[in-house]
Amino acid sequence: AQTVTQSQPEMSVQEAETVTLSCTYDTSESDYYLFWYKQPPSRQMILVIRQEAYKQQNATENRFSVNFQKAAKSFSLKISDSQLGDAAMYFCAYRSVPGGFKTIFGAGTRLFVKA
Amino acid sequence: DGGITQSPKYLFRKEGQNVTLSCEQNLNHDAMYWYRQDPGQGLRLIYYSQIVNDFQKGDIAEGYSVSREKKESFPLTVTSAQKNPTAFYLCASSVRGGSGNSPLHFGNGTRLTVT
Repeated sequence: AQTVTQSQPEMSVQEAETVTLSCTYDTSESDYYLFWYKQPPSRQMILVIRQEAYKQQNATENRFSVNFQKAAKSFSLKISDSQLGDAAMYFCAYRSVPGGFKTIFGAGTRLFVKA
Repeated sequence: DGGITQSPKYLFRKEGQNVTLSCEQNLNHDAMYWYRQDPGQGLRLIYYSQIVNDFQKGDIAEGYSVSREKKESFPLTVTSAQKNPTAFYLCASSVRGGSGNSPLHFGNGTRLTVT
């Protein structure tokens, strides 16, 4: 069975600085998708970024980028130029490609942004 | 604007009572999901539905039931058999359940408290 592990329950970053959130996963599949979701205090979960396992190039979305290391089964999220609005829970998630009905989530990392 | 509506936002029930959480989407998505969120445990899948009149159990289906009579609606009933029902419940949808890269779209959640 696939598992997703986020080893940092909490992280903090100074406004305008860069922070990296860690995520590792375990799977025997070769084709899958990885996601980072953000849950702000309003509790509305939103997609931050996604990565296709067959693509070697790391995904980027404005200030958000990932470091995808398939062999190491690592999928970290880098937030550049951190803003107060980035404060939230961040969840790493895994989804199989064949029959991908089930998304598996990590326990989450709470990010604090200091002004 | 399209989205997912969960109601109510807060729900209080006495132990032994069944309660139904509403989830409606106007995104024309085929697949819908119910997740339970507890502190430190991320999101766990309760039930999912790929098409109307069809649904499957997730990882923690015991004590819950669902129906999918309309594409837009996927209500969740928390029965008295659920031993620890107090939690935050999130409804989600995706374009196609079997498409791995289709991200989840979430509602705002329902906080259920059972005393």
